[in-house]
Amino acid sequence: EPEVTQTPSHQVTQMGQEVILRCVPISNHLYFYWYRQILGQKVEFLVSFYNNEISEKSEIFDDQFSVERPDGSNFTLKIRSTKLEDSAMYFCASRILGRGDQPQHFGDGTRLSIL
Amino acid sequence: RKEVEQDPGPFNVPEGATVAFNCTYSNSASQSFFWYRQDCRKEPKLLMSVYSSGNEDGRFTAQLNRASQYISLLIRDSKLSDSATYLCVVNPRAAGGYNKLIFGAGTRLAVHP
Repeated sequence: EPEVTQTPSHQVTQMGQEVILRCVPISNHLYFYWYRQILGQKVEFLVSFYNNEISEKSEIFDDQFSVERPDGSNFTLKIRSTKLEDSAMYFCASRILGRGDQPQHFGDGTRLSIL
Repeated sequence: RKEVEQDPGPFNVPEGATVAFNCTYSNSASQSFFWYRQDCRKEPKLLMSVYSSGNEDGRFTAQLNRASQYISLLIRDSKLSDSATYLCVVNPRAAGGYNKLIFGAGTRLAVHP
């Protein structure tokens, strides 16, 4: 079964440093998403991306965050200057073209630890 | 009111038991509904979509009551492997669009021998 893959599985970074999280969505999917989950809390939406542009973003997704689809397969999340509160599990998800009732499929996440 | 509200549990049940989880959502315009399961420190995995007419997948039955903005999940004949956190998930957007998902905080299930 096709999967969403994410790298790295764990990233440890000093506060203030830039970090890039990478995702390879399922190949025939056209909608892409980033979510995060702070330890012990619920999964929260960050951003959705379609047709090479951001379609929606949450309040969390401030100007320190950016997303990019640099080629036909990768989808990246960049945090420009990390803060302690950015420590969380970051999940990439993708969805096939179609109605909104098509489910999103999640990668196994990148655990980001900010020191 | 929270967008998606669930009883956090934990529900501790013996193998073979039937257990039911409930969820309420605040946005009456929501169109799509799902149950995901999440194992400790892992990604959410789709368990099943939830349809207005109710739907069943093996031991799992999901129901939706749009008038009450209420979703349920019933698990019959619980297995040890069902131990996980069950996430009620709502797409608040109408059909089409980009469809972010809103997650409940989850209900923990622990099945014991």
